[in-house]
Amino acid sequence: AQSVTQLDSQVPVFEEAPVELRCNYSSSVSVYLFWYVQYPNQGLQLLLKYLSGSTLVESINGFEAEFNKSQTSFHLRKPSVHISDTAEYFCAVGKVRGAQKLVFGQGTRLTINP
Amino acid sequence: GAGVSQSPRYKVAKRGQDVALRCDPISGHVSLFWYQQALGQGPEFLTYFQNEAQLDKSGLPSDRFFAERPEGSVSTLKIQRTQQEDSAVYLCASSLAQGNTEAFFGQGTRLTVV
Repeated sequence: AQSVTQLDSQVPVFEEAPVELRCNYSSSVSVYLFWYVQYPNQGLQLLLKYLSGSTLVESINGFEAEFNKSQTSFHLRKPSVHISDTAEYFCAVGKVRGAQKLVFGQGTRLTINP
Repeated sequence: GAGVSQSPRYKVAKRGQDVALRCDPISGHVSLFWYQQALGQGPEFLTYFQNEAQLDKSGLPSDRFFAERPEGSVSTLKIQRTQQEDSAVYLCASSLAQGNTEAFFGQGTRLTVV
């Protein structure tokens, strides 16, 4: 079985400050890793994913995440946040072999203050 | 439409009432998933379809929950004799094929049982 722990339920930061949202996972089999974002009153959108290859993956809007196998982590970072980044962020894992049902963390609410 | 569509967006049901939630996946997507998201929690897997076949229903919380996808496209999640603990957002997601590594989510149906 897989499990995902997001260590912070809420993260308040000031605009243009850096941010890190932490995610740790547990699995006895190989997994893919995902970050999804949920803006207010909207559905989940895929932000970025790690499947294989380079352990550092990037999104088009400046977020990046690094897969660390030894620490079983997949932390999400952005060097400078904007008001528009205010949202709930979910880390998720899915088995490499399987139908790709996802196991999600509890979410981290990112609040950007001006 | 281009995305996953769910209806209704909001549903209020009296305890004991039966409800039916609809999901229109992206055209041509083989895989369809249902998730339940309780307030302040991450989504939790309910069931998975590949075309019309329900391959995994391990996440359905009780026999009051039933899902179908008779023609391999539209899916319905039915909850019989609703109870207060069924109050949640029900999310539908679809992906192009089994093992495909990107799931697209609908906006969800918020069910409130009073």
